[in-house]
Amino acid sequence: DTAVSQTPKYLVTQMGNDKSIKCEQNLGHDTMYWYKQDSKKFLKIMFSYNNKELIINETVPNRFSPKSPDKAHLNLHINSLELGDSAVYFCASSLPLRGVSRKSSYNEQFFGPGTRLTVL
Amino acid sequence: GIQVEQSPPDLILQEGANSTLRCNFSDSVNNLQWFHQNPWGQLINLFYIPSGTKQNGRLSATTVATERYSLLYISSSQTTDSGVYFCAVVETSGSRLTFGEGTQLTVNP
Repeated sequence: DTAVSQTPKYLVTQMGNDKSIKCEQNLGHDTMYWYKQDSKKFLKIMFSYNNKELIINETVPNRFSPKSPDKAHLNLHINSLELGDSAVYFCASSLPLRGVSRKSSYNEQFFGPGTRLTVL
Repeated sequence: GIQVEQSPPDLILQEGANSTLRCNFSDSVNNLQWFHQNPWGQLINLFYIPSGTKQNGRLSATTVATERYSLLYISSSQTTDSGVYFCAVVETSGSRLTFGEGTQLTVNP
């Protein structure tokens, strides 16, 4: 009965490869997010989707492309992986506020277990 | 954007001690959350507390929104409390959850 799940948990790959990380939530939430945690443990948002619509797109290289097939899933595809992409990637989700669909982030966000990506 | 500062950056305690972690933020907020990142890397929700006081077992939190700070209290600490504690906020005019740099807590037996 995991609330927010991610696969894989660990991902080790060579520079230049393309990889995907999958995220699923069974909380019935409308909004999902991707965060990146760097080697100094600093967490920063990358993307946010509300009901399959892109809401937030931070300054992230366009090698990173989120895809939301439905509101319960938000996958992250990364092209041409670089050494600097090594990090832990967290997926999260939250409920929208009634009548304020673009401010779902005001509600409590729940995080997945993270995917540790290592680029060699 | 909003600035989030946590203090202290590092804290070492003996089991059984009490502690207070602080989070200051530079603007008004609509969301404030406290998280515990355990040694296995999981981010665990502790409190959703944009204002007021909440308690959950040995942990409690208070947010004074008008003075732009929040406090996390840990009483009778245990070794399993070790990890990094993060404060994160969404400013009233924004939509992004912005994290502080965390407090690294080590509880020794």
